[in-house]
Amino acid sequence: EDQVTQSPEALRLQEGESSSLNCSYTVSGLRGLFWYRQDPGKGPEFLFTLYSAGEEKEKERLKATLTKKESFLHITAPKPEDSATYLCAVQILTGGGNKLTFGTGTQLKVEL
Amino acid sequence: ETGVTQSPTHLIKTRGQQVTLRCSSQSGHNTVSWYQQALGQGPQFIFQYYREEENGRGNFPPRFSGLQFPNYSSELNVNALELDDSALYLCASSGPTANTEAFFGQGTRLTVV
Repeated sequence: EDQVTQSPEALRLQEGESSSLNCSYTVSGLRGLFWYRQDPGKGPEFLFTLYSAGEEKEKERLKATLTKKESFLHITAPKPEDSATYLCAVQILTGGGNKLTFGTGTQLKVEL
Repeated sequence: ETGVTQSPTHLIKTRGQQVTLRCSSQSGHNTVSWYQQALGQGPQFIFQYYREEENGRGNFPPRFSGLQFPNYSSELNVNALELDDSALYLCASSGPTANTEAFFGQGTRLTVV
């Protein structure tokens, strides 16, 4: 069974304090790994898709990387507006259409 | 702004009732997926529609059903509501190829009392 595990469950940072969120996965065949940001009571907002080990993508203070077993979301010099839940999801190669299997998320709080 | 719109935004229903949730997909997207997100959890895949046909289903009972229309909008129907059906219901639309990203609507918060 496909599994996605995110850690830590919650993270509190001071403004400017860089850190990384982890997403480890066990799937039969990875088509793509997705990162989303979700604010309370809202739908997930798309951030990145990674398709192969070694791939990296950046957007403002965020950088996502991918290996054969896990992905990291690095946050450089975070600001309070980066506070949100960050969700990781995988899409597998066969069956289920474009189904995404999500982790439970990392709740990030950035304080002044 | 993703271009995916869901209605209603909030809904309160009584146990045993039926509910219909609606989703308009982003322009150019022909695939719609529905997810259920309980508080503190990640979204769980319910099912997906592609060109008006169900194209993949998660571990949800048959009382969860759906439709997709020729304009690619979609409905999620839930019969015989249970208290555990209380959740945020999310619709996601994606493009015609397998490697296109899924964009989510703002969700419908369903409360069953």
